[in-house]
Amino acid sequence: QVQLQASGPGLVKPSETLSLTCTVSGYSISSGCYWGWIRQPPGKGLEWIGAIYHSGSTYYNPSLKSRVTISVDTSKNQFSLKLSSLTAADTAVYYCARDARGATWSFDYWGQGTLVTVSS
Amino acid sequence: QTVVTQEPSLTVSPGGTVTLTCASSTGAVTSGYYPNWFQQKPGQAPRALIYSTSNKHSWTPARFSGSLLGGKAALTLSGVQPEDEAEYYCLLYYGGARVFGGGTKLTVL
Repeated sequence: QVQLQASGPGLVKPSETLSLTCTVSGYSISSGCYWGWIRQPPGKGLEWIGAIYHSGSTYYNPSLKSRVTISVDTSKNQFSLKLSSLTAADTAVYYCARDARGATWSFDYWGQGTLVTVSS
Repeated sequence: QTVVTQEPSLTVSPGGTVTLTCASSTGAVTSGYYPNWFQQKPGQAPRALIYSTSNKHSWTPARFSGSLLGGKAALTLSGVQPEDEAEYYCLLYYGGARVFGGGTKLTVL
């Protein structure tokens, strides 16, 4: 059973950089698939942030691209998100998910989400 | 900026049938956009229901089905159950980018 668990600080100050990590179990990141980040502001819809392949190839949401970096650590079976220049608008639940682009073309497994609040 | 549009809200009676749609600002949705559908209940992570237009995951109830309808992706629920009340999101692949629809709040009443 594939499981994903996002972790990181729940509170970050404006203008700072958010760092989140997603730990994958039950599946080796090196086996393939993209690994993605999605966020959901309170009471609003889902927004795709970006995705990374195990080789390090990335795709980013154009609206966030200037502030986002996604990286992968296959030795730890983890991938990470960095989002810089935070504002209150970045307050959201952040989800990580497996993105089988090029295979089944599905977002099949999701983490439980972690709430990040941007506030001083 | 690509926009994916869903009905903001729909209401259906228990046992009834309802179809949710997913439209693209770029034109007709085809199988090449690999439409995905997700269900989200309050306080929970989204749960995948349909991928690549019409394929079900192993956990997807049989009453959910996906298709293309009139240039849009569609999710049909047949024999709706009270537990199907939730927010439903579609997702389309645009080459390297992925875009979620705004969501449809489905009320079972």
